[in-house]
Amino acid sequence: DAGITQSPRHKVTETGTPVTLRCHQTENHRYMYWYRQDPGHGLRLIHYSYGVKDTDKGEVSDGYSVSRSKTEDFLLTLESATSSQTSVYFCAISGHGQGASNEQFFGPGTRLTVL
Amino acid sequence: DQQVKQNSPSLSVQEGRISILNCDYTNSMFDYFLWYKKYPAEGPTFLISISSIKDKNEDGRFTVFLNKSAKHLSLHIVPSQPGDSAVYFCAASTSGSARQLTFGSGTQLTVLP
Repeated sequence: DAGITQSPRHKVTETGTPVTLRCHQTENHRYMYWYRQDPGHGLRLIHYSYGVKDTDKGEVSDGYSVSRSKTEDFLLTLESATSSQTSVYFCAISGHGQGASNEQFFGPGTRLTVL
Repeated sequence: DQQVKQNSPSLSVQEGRISILNCDYTNSMFDYFLWYKKYPAEGPTFLISISSIKDKNEDGRFTVFLNKSAKHLSLHIVPSQPGDSAVYFCAASTSGSARQLTFGSGTQLTVLP
């Protein structure tokens, strides 16, 4: 299995507070992604990164920001959490190099509850 | 507007029989398709994939079929085992898209002993 960890694994917070989720990889993969999973929606891409300091928006980026200052770390920040951001958040990584496939490898997830 | 659709939220199959999970897509630019399996409280794990230049890919008990003209793919599991009970997601991507994946909403497969 790819070396991906997410922290925290569970978090309960209150509306209006800032929250930062961390994804850490030991695989030296170029691409990193943040998804959220909600019932009836599958996994939806929030933001992704294609290198250090290189990030772009995904399908559901409103209310989220990301940063990648090192290859191994990708941070997702909710500047002011809302109840609609209650979800399970997954980080994923994907290989580098011309021959690499499009497979993504996922972390264990972070369950976030915004009260 | 969902570009990848899994119209069956759930499927129950008897152990030893075939499970067939279906997925439809609307974006003709998709050229790579994947299936993921997800157990509760875990991240999705990659199962099998297929490139648009093929119409079939096999890996042990798992076979993925791609029908480009119908924009349809299916995952066959033969024989089904109770440990296959999980949520299955299909996903699609286009070349040069930073390997972004678009996921379907998932199908809960239950294999009955």
